[in-house]
Amino acid sequence: DIVMTQSPLSLPVTPGEPASLSCRSSQSLLHSNGYTYLDWFLQKPGKSPRLLIYLGSTRASGVPDRFSVSGSGTDFTLNISRVEAEDVGIYYCMQALQTPRTFGGGTKVEIK
Amino acid sequence: EVQLVESGGGLVQPGGSLKLSCAASGFTFSDSAMHWVRQTSGKGLEWVGRIRNKADNYATSYTASVKDRFTISRDDSKNTAYLQMNSLKIEDTAVYYCTRWTTARPAFDIWGRGTMVTVSS
Repeated sequence: DIVMTQSPLSLPVTPGEPASLSCRSSQSLLHSNGYTYLDWFLQKPGKSPRLLIYLGSTRASGVPDRFSVSGSGTDFTLNISRVEAEDVGIYYCMQALQTPRTFGGGTKVEIK
Repeated sequence: EVQLVESGGGLVQPGGSLKLSCAASGFTFSDSAMHWVRQTSGKGLEWVGRIRNKADNYATSYTASVKDRFTISRDDSKNTAYLQMNSLKIEDTAVYYCTRWTTARPAFDIWGRGTMVTVSS
């Protein structure tokens, strides 16, 4: 199984400032078709996960462009250019290259 | 409105069985693969398994910890997916979500609100 590792566990952020969340996979998520099968989700307390990014860098419908992903292969970073209060919650990365799908342990983003 | 609604959760004793349902609306259910993901209290997300669509022969796949105990099925005429859980263990206690995957948007873009399963004596 592909192991997904996220860091940090917790990230206090200041509104208006940038934030970076790391996700690493135990093997490359680059498929032979050229797509990178890495997705990002945000889960707010008491809610279901919400898709933010899929196929490595494609923003889901309604996701603001302050969210972007950098990196390739096994090392990825979710970047938030200017954090807003509504961005708090737990961010999960997930590999969609193979079954079983596997998730990282999550990074909790909270306002300082 | 595009949505998924899970039901069927509850309290069950260890060794018991439970069947969850996931009712879909607002999209072409038969085109989608359906996945189940669970989340233990205060913990992260764990993929449980999936069933593909008719074009892919309704192929199923499961995570190792539930294989031979859980079975995913679907009824395209009812726009519903199911998760049959047998020989339940305490560690199966979790919120169970269903989510869809389509080739048009290859991602878990729609999630249900989840249904709670508690395995306890």
